[in-house]
Amino acid sequence: EVQLQESGPGLVKPSQSLSLTCSVTGYSITSNYWGWIRKFPGNKMEWMGYISYSGSTSYNPSLKSRISITRDTSKNQFFLQLNSVTTEDTATYYCARGDLAYWGQGTLVTVSS
Amino acid sequence: DVVLTQTPPTLSATIGQSVSISCRSSQSLLHSNGNTYLHWLLQRPGQSPQLLIYLVSRLESGVPNRFSGSGSGTDFTLKISGVEAEDLGVYYCVQGTHAPYTFGAGTKLELK
Repeated sequence: EVQLQESGPGLVKPSQSLSLTCSVTGYSITSNYWGWIRKFPGNKMEWMGYISYSGSTSYNPSLKSRISITRDTSKNQFFLQLNSVTTEDTATYYCARGDLAYWGQGTLVTVSS
Repeated sequence: DVVLTQTPPTLSATIGQSVSISCRSSQSLLHSNGNTYLHWLLQRPGQSPQLLIYLVSRLESGVPNRFSGSGSGTDFTLKISGVEAEDLGVYYCVQGTHAPYTFGAGTKLELK
């Protein structure tokens, strides 16, 4: 069974970096695409970006140069880094397989001083 | 970016009632490869989103067949034929044809 699990700090200070890990079991991240999606307070969902089976990446231009998605294939994990966060980055962050068939449980990240 | 407009924003239904949700795109979602990357998700309270329908009308494995999807180009519909209590939550359409992928604003299905 494919399972994804996000982990990382639940509280980040403004101007600092947000770093999350997605651990995948039951499926190799060297196959398919793997992405990060966030849900803001309310219902708005935003696709942030993905990393492909080959390691190439694609990001939402709205995040400009603040975002980086990397991976560690030996641990079957991929990572999100979002720099220079503001309170507007407060959201529940999900990792998901690129076809959206599998999602992590989500992790709430609050940006606050 | 492609804008997906979902209507209605809120839907009140009784158990057993059939309901539909509309998703209209600001541009055609037909990809040059012939696929239309329009999918439907359900997020139940306290849970992660779940894929219901992919590529407009294909039912994800394990999803009850009371869910169906239809449409083409810019107009798409999700239909639930006989709402059950477990169907309550927020429904999203999402497109993967044009980067960046985008989501509709959501339709909240609640019991009348």
